[in-house]
Amino acid sequence: AQKITQTQPGMFVQEKEAVTLDCTYDTSDPSYGLFWYKQPSSGEMIFLIYQGSYDQQNATEGRYSLNFQKARKSANLVISASQLGDSAMYFCAMRGADNTDKLIFGTGTRLQVFP
Amino acid sequence: NAGVTQTPKFRVLKTGQSMTLLCAQDMNHEYMYWYRQDPGMGLRLIHYSVGEGTTAKGEVPDGYNVSRLKKQNFLLGLESAAPSQTSVYFCASSHARSENTEAFFGQGTRLTVV
Repeated sequence: AQKITQTQPGMFVQEKEAVTLDCTYDTSDPSYGLFWYKQPSSGEMIFLIYQGSYDQQNATEGRYSLNFQKARKSANLVISASQLGDSAMYFCAMRGADNTDKLIFGTGTRLQVFP
Repeated sequence: NAGVTQTPKFRVLKTGQSMTLLCAQDMNHEYMYWYRQDPGMGLRLIHYSVGEGTTAKGEVPDGYNVSRLKKQNFLLGLESAAPSQTSVYFCASSHARSENTEAFFGQGTRLTVV
């Protein structure tokens, strides 16, 4: 069975500093995708970044990068140069390539950026 | 370009009442999902569908039913609402059979059962 674990309920970071949000996963699928979403206080879900299990390089999207360590089954999100607007809930998610194609989420990490 | 639209956005139900949440997407996506979000528990998958006329159970399906009669619509039903079903419900959709396609989310429905 697939499982996503986010062990940090909350994180604090000072503006302009980098922060890493942890995500570990468990799956028996040989092929899978990992996603990060941001949920600001307004409630919408915003897609940030994707990493495929066969991708050779870590994904990057602007200030977001994904530190993918396949052997350790971790897919940590790194936010560089934090901004006040980065304060939000962050969710790690995974989808396998089997016939069920379920998309499952972790419990999330609340990030607070302070001046 | 509406994307994923959920109806209604807010609802208060009495225990035992029934209701249906509607999710509509205009992106011709094959896959659709229903989640509930509760504090400290993230998004939990209730039911999902990989195509018109097909549905499957997710992590927390009890107390809910779904239907996907048309490709663009995915309905979530509560036959007899319970206070434990007080939650924020999200619908999402994505293209099929490719693990690298992101899911697009609706704005959510805040449901309170009293």
